[in-house]
Amino acid sequence: DADVTQTPRNRITKTGKRIMLECSQTKGHDRMYWYRQDPGLGLQLIYYSFDVKDINKGEISDGYSVSRQAQAKFSLSLESAIPNQTALYFCATSDLRRGVYGYTFGSGTRLTVV
Amino acid sequence: QKEVEQDPGPLSVPEGAIVSLNCTYSNSAFQYFMWYRQYSRKGPELLMYTYSSGNKEDGRFTAQVDKSSKYISLFIRDSQPSDSATYLCAMSAAGTYKYIFGTGTRLKVLA
Repeated sequence: DADVTQTPRNRITKTGKRIMLECSQTKGHDRMYWYRQDPGLGLQLIYYSFDVKDINKGEISDGYSVSRQAQAKFSLSLESAIPNQTALYFCATSDLRRGVYGYTFGSGTRLTVV
Repeated sequence: QKEVEQDPGPLSVPEGAIVSLNCTYSNSAFQYFMWYRQYSRKGPELLMYTYSSGNKEDGRFTAQVDKSSKYISLFIRDSQPSDSATYLCAMSAAGTYKYIFGTGTRLKVLA
């Protein structure tokens, strides 16, 4: 099983719909992140969480919300999807307590908003 | 101006060539530098991690950081077709632990 699992892998949704992307990890890392990747723009940070009670906005949080249900689970919601939220979304983890500065990424969710 | 600049490529090289991938940055506070490799339809995977300046070697890969020039490089020796991927640089200032990513360079190693 993957260390960081994202579901669904692919999703097509309509404008205005609410959608949730889920992420779970088995690495025991304390920090979790949501990024989106767009061609030519690289990876942009949406939200990050240093533990269950510590959630922070990233560079592009407008239109998104998150929930850290447990140390191992971090979900991203689009309350009312719009076409410019079409992108590849990645969840990532790290753990500075253990000197794990680099990220472990999931395989991504490809989201298309029509 | 973006904080981190990376040539998008694609960069095509013959098998066995030495590959040089580069990023420039503008924030002199950056202290942590990383290189990730991303295969098509996959998440990025960490290749190299460097703190502050200097070189670091791991097998066929060497990472260099030149803080005076605000320039980092990843060298791949004896490149293989399996090295064909997009390579992302990432960097962070001390204490922030939030990485700023380059847009990635697409590399093709031709057999």
